[in-house]
Amino acid sequence: EVQLVESGGGLVKPGGSLRLSCAASAFTFSSYNMNWVRQAPGKGLECVSSISSRGTYIYYADSVKGRFTISRDNDKNSLYLQMNSLRAEDTAIYYCARVGMTTMTLTDYWYFDLWGRGTLVTVSS
Amino acid sequence: EIVMTQSPATLSVSPGERATLSCRASQIVNTNLAWYQQKPGRAPRLLIYGASSRATGVPARFSGSGSGTEFTLTISSLQSEDFAVYYCQQYNDWPPWTFGQGTKVEIK
Repeated sequence: EVQLVESGGGLVKPGGSLRLSCAASAFTFSSYNMNWVRQAPGKGLECVSSISSRGTYIYYADSVKGRFTISRDNDKNSLYLQMNSLRAEDTAIYYCARVGMTTMTLTDYWYFDLWGRGTLVTVSS
Repeated sequence: EIVMTQSPATLSVSPGERATLSCRASQIVNTNLAWYQQKPGRAPRLLIYGASSRATGVPARFSGSGSGTEFTLTISSLQSEDFAVYYCQQYNDWPPWTFGQGTKVEIK
């Protein structure tokens, strides 16, 4: 089955660290750009980090820049998010999401076509 | 950064009725817009990309329209399983990929 499965969430104190993982299965992981998207309790969606298929291009939202590090291991079909110096406002469900693309009339259209079920990160003393 | 604004925040609709959701971009995004559906406790699900193309398996009662800065998601006849939160997302100017704040479609 084509799927993404996140792990590594949990309860951590402010200033602490966590490493999230996302395991991909049944598709060619190395061909896809990937993202981490978070959703704070009762709030909307925020793309916090993106990485290109080979890891050569990386993006971070200003809210996590300097504290979070995205990486991937294409041999292990896995995506990671190292989160340091965690703050209460980082409390959220963290989803990994695959970037799909369709070409129509010579134009590329991009979207997040596959999502994991998410892993909950709670930052609290 | 392009800001996406959705309206209304909450839409109360009776089953079988039409629902119309709006999304506005702070800058032109052409047709580089997607819509997602999220049910409680679940991950978002892609509904529409390219402003008007349905994703695989999405029922025909879902349709998207618009270009530039104004977009609409229409659900022609609401079914019980359609009550959820809907998000628009632009990808004309990324990073970052930016989402609207969501519209909750609830049972009237």
